[in-house]
Amino acid sequence: GQQVMQIPQYQHVQEGEDFTTYCNSSTTLSNIQWYKQRPGGHPVFLIQLVKSGEVKKQKRLTFQFGEAKKNSSLHITATQTTDVGTYFCAGPVTGNQFYFGTGTSLTVIP
Amino acid sequence: DAGITQSPRHKVTETGTPVTLRCHQTENHRYMYWYRQDPGHGLRLIHYSYGVKDTDKGEVSDGYSVSRSKTEDFLLTLESATSSQTSVYFCAISESATNTGELFFGEGSRLTVL
Repeated sequence: GQQVMQIPQYQHVQEGEDFTTYCNSSTTLSNIQWYKQRPGGHPVFLIQLVKSGEVKKQKRLTFQFGEAKKNSSLHITATQTTDVGTYFCAGPVTGNQFYFGTGTSLTVIP
Repeated sequence: DAGITQSPRHKVTETGTPVTLRCHQTENHRYMYWYRQDPGHGLRLIHYSYGVKDTDKGEVSDGYSVSRSKTEDFLLTLESATSSQTSVYFCAISESATNTGELFFGEGSRLTVL
């Protein structure tokens, strides 16, 4: 079964509201990556987290890697319509196999 | 954007016919991956390659085979397509192993099996 899970699957927010998606792995990950896929597009790399408890920021986006390296979160402050898309986490579950989460689809209502 | 080309971009075929999707890269990256994307399942790894003629199975490899005879090309073959293989297929490449390398994705190939 899916080894990297994400919640929620869908999220609708009013423009200006905050958004958070959570990623959980059944195994400890050496690192975790986040990707964004715009509607009709392909996934695009956002960031990689490596250290336990690591927090990284990209403008309004905050990424966090859990202390046990089995979970991660992406938080967007004050969403904009340009944030629309599906956000995926991904981790190297075994060897060279990069497994993706189920994704969270974000809709921003103007 | 990374130099990744997938072909065909769209294909409609009938159940039982063979289908080959091609991924071509100009980045000389060692690692190449085939994923399928379906609603509610995200991206699931089908097969991957860690070098010429070096391939391995992913989590949903049944019904698929791959080949990599050159660094730049990674082929995904459905020997006898089924309706359950209707999906969007993405190729991805990476310069480094999974502990250091980000994935660059192609534009995707939409396959419909009737």
